[in-house]
Amino acid sequence: DSGVTQTPKHLITATGQRVTLRCSPRSGDLSVYWYQQSLDQGLQFLIQYYNGEERAKGNILERFSAQQFPDLHSELNLSSLELGDSALYFCASSVEWWGPDTQYFGPGTRLTVL
Amino acid sequence: AQTVTQSQPEMSVQEAETVTLSCTYDTSESDYYLFWYKQPPSRQMILVIRQEAYKQQNATENRFSVNFQKAAKSFSLKISDSQLGDAAMYFCAFNSYGSSNTGKLIFGQGTTLQVKP
Repeated sequence: DSGVTQTPKHLITATGQRVTLRCSPRSGDLSVYWYQQSLDQGLQFLIQYYNGEERAKGNILERFSAQQFPDLHSELNLSSLELGDSALYFCASSVEWWGPDTQYFGPGTRLTVL
Repeated sequence: AQTVTQSQPEMSVQEAETVTLSCTYDTSESDYYLFWYKQPPSRQMILVIRQEAYKQQNATENRFSVNFQKAAKSFSLKISDSQLGDAAMYFCAFNSYGSSNTGKLIFGQGTTLQVKP
């Protein structure tokens, strides 16, 4: 158990819908990362927040948005869902915002878009 | 752009034997870190080992060790005395904190390791 929690574990929805994925970082961690794992794209970095502020952005679609709240939990919002958005979405957390700090991954949310 | 390449989609090893997983990366940065993550069937991402680019000494964690060749931009993972529990997908990952100034990881495509009893 990494100490990072993600809810829900599984999500099945239809095209065009909107969903929210939630992540609670390890106690004491200020940085939260979101990654997408799909069969065709592999593991890709989406976005990073540090202490409530956006720190870095990767290949995140405009239909996707995220935020980190004052209690440090984070939410990833996916809207106008398409079949290709089906993937495993990971949240990871670390104490600091930069490279050497180990990232601890949550168990992931499996999103299926039908 | 930085890239990470794992050229072996699948590998297999006999229990108790040694196996080496390959990883190459491309970067013009001098300050970076390299990681190996394990993803078992549970899908949990678990850090196996990490290497700081400025260190010449290869990292070791119990049965896991790396061969870091900075000039060749190569970072292989050696698993000694393989166990059934080592069966998983292994990802090589890179972070260039020097210029990107973030902790974002760039992953390779992964290598699926099968351990035969």
